[in-house]
Amino acid sequence: AQSVTQLDSQVPVFEEAPVELRCNYSSSVSVYLFWYVQYPNQGLQLLLKYLSGSTLVKGINGFEAEFNKSQTSFHLRKPSVHISDTAEYFCAVTTNAGGTSYGKLTFGQGTILTVHP
Amino acid sequence: DSGVTQTPKHLITATGQRVTLRCSPRSGDLSVYWYQQSLDQGLQFLIQYYNGEERAKGNILERFSAQQFPDLHSELNLSSLELGDSALYFCASSVGSGYEKLFFGSGTQLSVL
Repeated sequence: AQSVTQLDSQVPVFEEAPVELRCNYSSSVSVYLFWYVQYPNQGLQLLLKYLSGSTLVKGINGFEAEFNKSQTSFHLRKPSVHISDTAEYFCAVTTNAGGTSYGKLTFGQGTILTVHP
Repeated sequence: DSGVTQTPKHLITATGQRVTLRCSPRSGDLSVYWYQQSLDQGLQFLIQYYNGEERAKGNILERFSAQQFPDLHSELNLSSLELGDSALYFCASSVGSGYEKLFFGSGTQLSVL
């Protein structure tokens, strides 16, 4: 079984500052990793995903994440945040183990990013 | 707009009752997933259907059941409701088996009083 730990439950930051949201995972097999964003009163929206290949993944809205297998991490970064980035961010993992549904995502507890003017 | 439609948006009911949540996936998507989001448990996978067949099961209680109909819409049935079942229930859909991208609906907020 796999698990995900988001190390910060809340991250406050000022507008135009850089931000990093931390995610660590645990799995005994190869993983696929995702970051989803949830805006207030909305469903989740995919920001980016790592399936294979380059460990630096670029997503929508200027976000990027780096897969670090040795540290079992998949931290999300943005060099300059906007007020509109205020939302809850979820890290998620699934595996390609035989018989596993790839849509059976295991989510972290979420990180609330609040961008202040 | 993700293209996934969930109804109703809000549902208030009493303990012991039964409710049905409905989900219409994006046009062309064959897989439907149900997730439960609560303050104490976070986001938890409940069940997946693919083209009418159950594909995977997660932490779904025996009091809960789901199905996917020939037109690909899905229903999640919750019975003998308890206070702890109060949560936001999300439906998601995808074209295939799922890992490439899930599209989430806006959820049904269930309050059990």
